[in-house]
Amino acid sequence: KAGVTQTPRYLIKTRGQQVTLSCSPISGHRSVSWYQQTPGQGLQFLFEYFSETQRNKGNFPGRFSGRQFSNSRSEMNVSTLELGDSALYLCASSIDGVYNSPLHFGNGTRLTVT
Amino acid sequence: GDSVTQMEGPVTLSEEAFLTINCTYTATGYPSLFWYVQYPGEGLQLLLKATKADDKGSNKGFEATYRKETTSFHLEKGSVQVSDSAVYFCALSEGSGNTPLVFGKGTRLSVIA
Repeated sequence: KAGVTQTPRYLIKTRGQQVTLSCSPISGHRSVSWYQQTPGQGLQFLFEYFSETQRNKGNFPGRFSGRQFSNSRSEMNVSTLELGDSALYLCASSIDGVYNSPLHFGNGTRLTVT
Repeated sequence: GDSVTQMEGPVTLSEEAFLTINCTYTATGYPSLFWYVQYPGEGLQLLLKATKADDKGSNKGFEATYRKETTSFHLEKGSVQVSDSAVYFCALSEGSGNTPLVFGKGTRLSVIA
């Protein structure tokens, strides 16, 4: 079974630009979560989608948004990029997103904002 | 809100040494507890989990016991290998519904031959 696939692997953007990251979950998984990982803050939850609906949202500004398609693939978008948005963005899928369902992570997209 | 506190790293050990990474948590209910591991250049992988008090999770020689009285979930391994070098994350999830995982900040482990 293929794992969680995130594209692209690396991105370099300039302040003020916008960016879209993509995540393909494990086949059969309907829940997709996004996390931002930085050395200072660790892993911070962005949002979770289940059956095309945002079910949970973390404490991030509205510049961060996401969506999920009918095939469970998900995208996240960051508009008006800031230097502080430089991070590793991790996508994780699970069968149903229920509290004790293990998360399966992709290898992440490394975003650098200059 | 819920939170997880891990011991600060980095931790450097010689091969075959005993490993303990401390993890304590704060939660209002009865959370499930997890350890995830992140190898260089990769995403996180579930290492082990425990869903109720006194449960012991184990995998690949690693163990952790859910201690409700001390709100702890310390990770242990009797004899580490160079291949165990990674970042280890303790995490919790509320014991119901679909609330997201809350992660600790991670502990980097380096094992030298």
